[in-house]
Amino acid sequence: DIQMTQSPSSVSASVGDRVTITCRASQGISTWLAWYQQKPGKAPTLLIYDASTLHTGVPSRFGGSGSGTDFTLTISSLQPEDFAIYYCQQFSSFPATFGPGTKVDV
Amino acid sequence: QVQLQESGPGLVKASQTLSLTCTVSGGSVAGGSYFWTWIRQSAGKGLEWIGRMFLSGDGNYNPSLLSRVTISVDTSKNQVSLELKSVTAADTAIYYCARESVALTALDLWGQGIRVSVSS
Repeated sequence: DIQMTQSPSSVSASVGDRVTITCRASQGISTWLAWYQQKPGKAPTLLIYDASTLHTGVPSRFGGSGSGTDFTLTISSLQPEDFAIYYCQQFSSFPATFGPGTKVDV
Repeated sequence: QVQLQESGPGLVKASQTLSLTCTVSGGSVAGGSYFWTWIRQSAGKGLEWIGRMFLSGDGNYNPSLLSRVTISVDTSKNQVSLELKSVTAADTAIYYCARESVALTALDLWGQGIRVSVSS
């Protein structure tokens, strides 16, 4: 299985801050990577696919980059509704593994 | 607007079979190019991809669960089903049904999830 790691595991931030989350794959996955946001008691929702393509309806303050083994999710100006847990998921090979998550809180 | 809704027992006895159903509303399981997927989430293992199934019967399973899991798509009922045999406490989790868009190669729609506990 491809192992996905994320850093940091948690980050404390304020409204308006720029937040960067890193996701690393144990082997190259090209750009077969998606990012999700999960709020308490809710299912994850898709933010970004193909490493850098914003899903329909996702605010432009979210951005993704990277290829191969190293990827980044950036929130350019954190909004109150962005406090959540963020997960990456690789689709290069099965099983389609997830990262452990990064919690963004105050 | 397409929605997914999981249903099934919230409590299953150890060694028995866990059976869940995902009902698709506002759309058809037979429409579009989608893999129908099950994921689970537990405190100990985080998000775990269980497997996926296409309408044609083409699918993939997590090797760690391969011997125990079956995913099926029922076009007559517009449902996706999950069966997990011989459950243990380690199978206690929130189970999600999700749709993987072939075009996006990502899970673009999720159900709300169903909490399942395995009792001894």
